[in-house]
Parts: sequence; C-alpha cells; structure tokens
Amino acid sequence: KAGVTQTPRYLIKTRGQQVTLSCSPISGHRSVSWYQQTPGQGLQFLFEYFSETQRNKGNFPGRFSGRQFSNSRSEMNVSTLELGDSALYLCASSLAGNTEYFGPGTRLTVT
Amino acid sequence: LAKTTQPISMDSYEGQEVNITCSHNNIATNDYITWYQQFPSQGPRFIIQGYKTKVTNEVASLFIPADRKSSTLSLPRVSLSDTAVYYCLVGEGFSGGYNKLIFGAGTRLAVHP
Repeated sequence: KAGVTQTPRYLIKTRGQQVTLSCSPISGHRSVSWYQQTPGQGLQFLFEYFSETQRNKGNFPGRFSGRQFSNSRSEMNVSTLELGDSALYLCASSLAGNTEYFGPGTRLTVT
Repeated sequence: LAKTTQPISMDSYEGQEVNITCSHNNIATNDYITWYQQFPSQGPRFIIQGYKTKVTNEVASLFIPADRKSSTLSLPRVSLSDTAVYYCLVGEGFSGGYNKLIFGAGTRLAVHP
C-alpha cells in the first residue's frame, strides 16, 4: 500500500504571499491531520479533517486553513505568509483512530 | 489530554538494549499509548501502540504496568540507524469527538559505535 504523499516537498515563498500544500492519504484512510514542526515549538497540531469536515482544530490563527475532498485528499492553505511560518508541514492519515501515518512533509521557507 | 514526560536525551551503543520510559500520570480510561520515531526532516514513523501489559512487534516492545501511569519502549540491540527522536503519546481512540495526540519534546536517542 502506498504511503501518505505530500506535494510539493520543498517550497520557497516571500512574506505576504499565500501557499497551498497538498496531501494524499493512504488509500482507505478517511482522517487527515496537519501538523507544523519548527525547531523552537516542536510538532504542533493544526487541524484534522474527517469525511470532508473539520473535526479538530489546534491553536493557530485564521491564516491557516484547510479542506478535504470527497476522495479524502486534503489541502492546507496559509495566507499572508510570515517569516515565522517557515517550518516542516506534516500531513498524517488514519482510518479513524489514533494511529496516524505521516507523510514526508513539505519544507516551507518564507523569505 | 494526558501530558507525557520523557527524558530529553539518551545515549547508547550499538548492540545494546535501550529502554525509554514515559510518564503519563493522568492517562484516561480510553487512552492508548503510542510511540513514534522521527529522523531529521522526515515525518514521524509509527513504532508501536498498546493499552495495557505488553505489546511486541518486529521493531520494539512496549511495557505498560497495571496502573498505566507509565510505559517503557524497549528497542533490542540498537544500531546507528536507530539514532532518532522518539515520541510517547497518549490519546483517545475514535469516539466521534476525537482528541488529537499532542507531541511533547520527545527523547533524542544517540547510538554510538
């Protein structure tokens, strides 16, 4: 079975721009979660989608948003990028429980 | 959500058994204990999960005492490639109001030749 895939793997953006990251979960998995990882803050939960509905949300500003499509693929959008948004963005999928399988991540650099 | 406490770092040598203990005093009845491994610039990788007693797979063993207030991840005969950060998490299974797993700082394991 193919694992979680994320695109793009690397991205460089300028302050003020917006960015969209994509995640394809493991086939059959209906839950997709997004995390931000930085050296200073570690792994922080952004939000989770299940059957196209946001089920949980972390403590991030409204500039961070996401959505899930009927095929369970998910996108994450960050608007008005700030330097502090530079991070590794990880997507994880699960059937419905708490065993999550992570993708390789998207390394976002904001200059 | 139950908070977890684990050592910040550990050192070991190739071929040794490594035991990483995690404390989770406020674990709830519905919580499972899950361990992940993460290499630099990669996503965390699921290692093992358990609810009570002992669980073993091809990679590791997980020991959970009866009170479930702690757990120990055991890695047999580590190699240099086991150098990574190991996260212990507790969280509920699916119940319609899923509570997300919260990653702590993890334990940075360094395996030396």
